[in-house]
Amino acid sequence: AQSVTQLGSHVSVSEGALVLLRCNYSSSVPPYLFWYVQYPNQGLQLLLKYTSAATLVKGINGFEAEFKKSETSFHLTKPSAHMSDAAEYFCAVTGAGGTSYGKLTFGQGTILTVHP
Amino acid sequence: SAVISQKPSRDICQRGTSLTIQCQVDSQVTMMFWYRQQPGQSLTLIATANQGSEATYESGFVIDKFPISRPNLTFSTLTVSNMSPEDSSIYLCSVAIGVSYNEQFFGPGTRLTVL
Repeated sequence: AQSVTQLGSHVSVSEGALVLLRCNYSSSVPPYLFWYVQYPNQGLQLLLKYTSAATLVKGINGFEAEFKKSETSFHLTKPSAHMSDAAEYFCAVTGAGGTSYGKLTFGQGTILTVHP
Repeated sequence: SAVISQKPSRDICQRGTSLTIQCQVDSQVTMMFWYRQQPGQSLTLIATANQGSEATYESGFVIDKFPISRPNLTFSTLTVSNMSPEDSSIYLCSVAIGVSYNEQFFGPGTRLTVL
């Protein structure tokens, strides 16, 4: 079984400020973890993923995330927010084995607002 | 990578009718899935579309309501049957490829509104 909890359904930052979106997971098998972004009325775009290689993962648009097994976390960060980062962000987990192969369980999403 | 297209991109339907959504992938893939995103909600897995056999449904989803076909390794359809306004959602097709299926790609989605 697997689950994802995103802390904070809405996060608001000023342009240029640090972005931190929190994600905690639960998985009965070694996890693969993903962050997706969804802009209004658009599909899902993969930001980055963790697949058991380096624990610090760099993605597109300056985002990165760190896998911390001891904390069961995979928080998404960006040093300096841009107006174009305003979107909804989803954390997702799938199991690297077992019956959950390839099946994604998503968190509830975090809407990021960036103020000028 | 995999490029996924879906038809239709959106539709408005009357309650009690059915709609079939098509998903086409540009390469042969083993693992194909259908997800639903209800308004203001996250994505929920409906089922795994298995080639040559019946789809595997997640808890809360049944074949009579969401029949799925998977005639080959590049194509699948999802039918939303006997629709009600509660079925208004975005329906997304996805594929998982690569080592341990760690590459996930999504189609653009089909936005369904049921009146």
